[in-house]
Formats: sequence, C-alpha cells, structure tokens
Amino acid sequence: DTAVSQTPKYLVTQMGNDKSIKCEQNLGHDTMYWYKQDSKKFLKIMFSYNNKELIINETVPNRFSPKSPDKAHLNLHINSLELGDSAVYFCASHAGGNQPQHFGDGTRLSIL
Amino acid sequence: GDSVTQMEGPVTLSEEAFLTINCTYTATGYPSLFWYVQYPGEGLQLLLKATKADDKGSNKGFEATYRKETTSFHLEKGSVQVSDSAVYFCALNSGGYQKVTFGTGTKLQVIP
Repeated sequence: DTAVSQTPKYLVTQMGNDKSIKCEQNLGHDTMYWYKQDSKKFLKIMFSYNNKELIINETVPNRFSPKSPDKAHLNLHINSLELGDSAVYFCASHAGGNQPQHFGDGTRLSIL
Repeated sequence: GDSVTQMEGPVTLSEEAFLTINCTYTATGYPSLFWYVQYPGEGLQLLLKATKADDKGSNKGFEATYRKETTSFHLEKGSVQVSDSAVYFCALNSGGYQKVTFGTGTKLQVIP
C-alpha cells in the first residue's frame, strides 16, 4: 500500500525520444508536485497541481508537459529528450496546511 | 521570496560523534519548518517538523528547534550511527499554494 508510487523506477532512452512518467497517490491529498533532482542532489520544483489545476509552473522547457486526469494522478510527459534531462524525477503529494510532503521513490532517467 | 540556506557537505563523522547541520531561512510570515532525509536510492521522507517559534521537532534521536530570532532550524543528534548516512534537506512552507522551499541538501557520511 505505497502512498506515492511512480513508474517506471528506471528509464534509459535515447536523445530525441518522447517518454512519460506516471505518478499515483492513495493518500487523498489535493496537491501533487513534480521535482527534478540533479547529480548534486539539488531539488528543483517543476510543477504543482491542486485538484487537477496547475498552480505552479516554474521555468521549465515546454517539452515537459504535466497532466492530471484526477487528483490522485499526476503524469509527466517529456518530448524530444535531451542529455541535460538526465536526472531523478520525484513526484510528491501534500495534504495542505503545515503537513509534510510525501515523496515517491523517484524515476531515474538516463539519456544516451 | 522564501529561501533556505544549509551548510554544504559532505559531512563525514565517526560513529557516536555529535552531529549539527546548520539551516537558516528567509520567509514572509510564520512558516512551518521541516527536515527531510533521503537514503540512497530512495525518495525524501519527513524526519521532523516544527510549526511555530520555539517548537522543537524530534524523531529517531534527531532534534531541531524553531528559532525565530535567529531564523534558524539547526539539526542535531547526540550520537550518530552508520545507518544515519544520508542526505538531509531543510525546508520551509510559508503557505499559499503549498510551495515548499528546500535547501540544497547536506550529505552525511558516518564511518565505523
């Protein structure tokens, strides 16, 4: 009964391809996020959705497109993958207020 | 805007040594403060939190006190173990659309 689950855990693909990462949370939270973590462990927020509505869209190339079909799911589609997209991508959810975020285990994306 | 500054790592300690990881913040209003821990190959998980000035968060032998006068939330542990080796993130949530601001992370390595 994993709270926040991401698939796939590993993704190895070639430059120029299009790929998707899926995220689901079973905590009943209203808010979900995508983060990118680089090799130095720096965590950068990419997007946030609240009840299926986009509320945070940081400076991210428009090759990245999030989609939230319902408040339990937030998927990330990436077009025309580039070498610099290699990173670990984390999904997280949040109940709001002063509660902590809950993170998935990450998707390790490697671009060849 | 909000910001979190934490000491750069890596921090290397011998088992049973005393640990301090410094964290200071800048925020509007009265943020909630968090420490998250990331073990190798995993996502971030909440270690402890404090929601108002002078609150002390504690968990697994770790402690941190919310100091409004010094805008700090330093993480301490009296006796570290090898199993504490991980990356530690200080974070704050000042409300709004629940955007959480993370520090850059501090890698801790504990050697036997």
